[in-house]
Amino acid sequence: QVQLVQSGGEVKKPGASVKVSCKTSGYTFSSYGISWVRQAPGLGLEWMGWISGYNGKTNYVQKLQGRVTMTTDTSTTTAYMELRSLRSDDTAIYYCARVAGANEHGWFDPWGQGTLVTVSS
Amino acid sequence: DIVMTQSPDSLAVSLGERATINCKSSQSVLYSSNKKNYLGWYQQKPGQPPKLLIHWASTREPGVPDRFSGSGSGTDFTLTISTLQAEDVAVYYCHQYYSTPPTFGQGTKVEIK
Repeated sequence: QVQLVQSGGEVKKPGASVKVSCKTSGYTFSSYGISWVRQAPGLGLEWMGWISGYNGKTNYVQKLQGRVTMTTDTSTTTAYMELRSLRSDDTAIYYCARVAGANEHGWFDPWGQGTLVTVSS
Repeated sequence: DIVMTQSPDSLAVSLGERATINCKSSQSVLYSSNKKNYLGWYQQKPGQPPKLLIHWASTREPGVPDRFSGSGSGTDFTLTISTLQAEDVAVYYCHQYYSTPPTFGQGTKVEIK
């Protein structure tokens, strides 16, 4: 079955960087993209960006441009999301999700279990 | 960006009764060339990631109980739970994937009355 397994929770200080991994299995990695979505405590879902599993093409939400980088390692079918210059309002659960179809215009299924990133001095 | 607005923010329904959640998009998510609505619905239970229930506005995912149904087109959509069960207590989100950035509604919390 299709599975996305994320790395464990992180605690970071303001200004630091975090890199979250998303190990995929059960499907052809190059046939789908991965989106990253975050959810601040008690709040809704915010899309951060998308990366193609085929060629590594990315598309980031404008508010995070310059602070976020998404990459893939096709040899291990793993996607990564790095967020730099962390602020307290980056505290959230970060999810990866497989995107149906060849581009970012698809539904998200399945989702990883989530990674809690806490930014605190 | 397309703004997705759900109503109500929360609702309490008796077991076995119908729950209806509405979602309105600020512009149409119906793609004219394929006549598909780029709209999905998710269920999120506490401590869990969202789970896809419906895509293309009305196509139920395999394994999703048939008490869940989606309807609507263009800018107005509805998720209906025909007979609410205890395990349906969750927050429900609509999601448009028509344009970038994809956006979500604010969520509707469903509880038992």
